[in-house]
Amino acid sequence: QVQLQESGPGLVKPSETLSLICTVSRGSISSSSHYWAWIRQPPGKGLEWIGSINHSGSTYYNPSLQSRVSISADTSNNQFSLKLNSVTAADTAVYYCATYGDYFVFVYWGRGTLVTVSS
Amino acid sequence: EIVMTQSPGTLSVSPGERVTLSCRTSQSVRTNLVWYQHIPGQAPRLLIYGASTRATGLPARFSGSGSGTDFTLTISSLQSEDFAVYYCQQDNSWPYTFGQGTKLEIK
Repeated sequence: QVQLQESGPGLVKPSETLSLICTVSRGSISSSSHYWAWIRQPPGKGLEWIGSINHSGSTYYNPSLQSRVSISADTSNNQFSLKLNSVTAADTAVYYCATYGDYFVFVYWGRGTLVTVSS
Repeated sequence: EIVMTQSPGTLSVSPGERVTLSCRTSQSVRTNLVWYQHIPGQAPRLLIYGASTRATGLPARFSGSGSGTDFTLTISSLQSEDFAVYYCQQDNSWPYTFGQGTKLEIK
């Protein structure tokens, strides 16, 4: 089964850019049958879909974050990344990467990585 | 945006008991409803999609039902490995949204 692993800084200063990478194994991000997504969960709150990218590089973002988010793919390393700019304390969350197919059903997830926004 | 409401927030139960978790949506999602299980420190796990279709390998003690705005996840006889947080998600209308979760804890 596809495996995903998030990586990146655990601490980001306010107003700076949060950057995370998801490394995919046992699957290819070039696969036309998969979409690759970022999801987050602030402490004590529910899950929030951030955005997705497909094999051709098309991206889809949650309207609530669209102005600050960018997702890209690195096919040579079988990775995709998240950038969220102008972060505030409200962006403190566990960030997950996940994958889905034709339907927006997240079949495989990473274990998540906690990112804290603090000076 | 469709708002997902899960109840209760926390449920204290004993192993072997039958439990029913509720998920309500602010507007109809037909049967486009998904359930996940999350044990802290692990990757979330897909349980149910299409409101009632079990994911590959999911034990038969898990079942989902409902349509429209009211959905339930039932675990017929709780096992120790089932104590976790359960989330519902709608995949009917963009942006796709999740519930706040129901935590099953050992009584």
